[in-house]
Amino acid sequence: DSGVTQTPKHLITATGQRVTLRCSPRSGDLSVYWYQQSLDQGLQFLIQYYNGEERAKGNILERFSAQQFPDLHSELNLSSLELGDSALYFCASSVARGHRGETQYFGPGTRLLVL
Amino acid sequence: AQTVTQSQPEMSVQEAETVTLSCTYDTSESDYYLFWYKQPPSRQMILVIRQEAYKQQNATENRFSVNFQKAAKSFSLKISDSQLGDAAMYFCAYRFSAAGNKLTFGGGTRVLVKP
Repeated sequence: DSGVTQTPKHLITATGQRVTLRCSPRSGDLSVYWYQQSLDQGLQFLIQYYNGEERAKGNILERFSAQQFPDLHSELNLSSLELGDSALYFCASSVARGHRGETQYFGPGTRLLVL
Repeated sequence: AQTVTQSQPEMSVQEAETVTLSCTYDTSESDYYLFWYKQPPSRQMILVIRQEAYKQQNATENRFSVNFQKAAKSFSLKISDSQLGDAAMYFCAYRFSAAGNKLTFGGGTRVLVKP
């Protein structure tokens, strides 16, 4: 158990819908990262938050957004869902900003299926 | 842009034997970090080992060791005395140590362990 929690574990929804994925980082970790794992794109970095502020952005679609709250939990919002958004979404956390090779600890993931 | 390549989609090893997974990466940076993550059937991402590019010495964690060749931009993982629990997908990952804390992953290598 990495100490990172993600809810829900599974999510089934329809195209065009909107969903929210939730992540709680390890106790004391200030950075939260979101990754998407899909069959065709592999594991891709989406976005990072550090202490409530967006820190780095990757291949995140405009239909997707994220935020980190004062209690440091984070939410990833996916809207206007398409079949291709079906994937495993991981949250990871680290102590600080991610410098100097600090380890990112991954949560168990949320499996999203868009029908 | 940094890229990570794992040329072996699947490797098979006999229990108690040794298997080596290949990883190459492309970067113009000199200060970075490399990681191997294991993803068992549970889909959890588990850090196996990490290597700091400025360190000459190859990292070792119990039965797992790496062969880091900086000039060749190669970072292979050796699993010694393979166990059934080692069966999983293994991902090589790169992170530049300055701004942009994302992990860039390779496509993964599936390891099968035969009893």
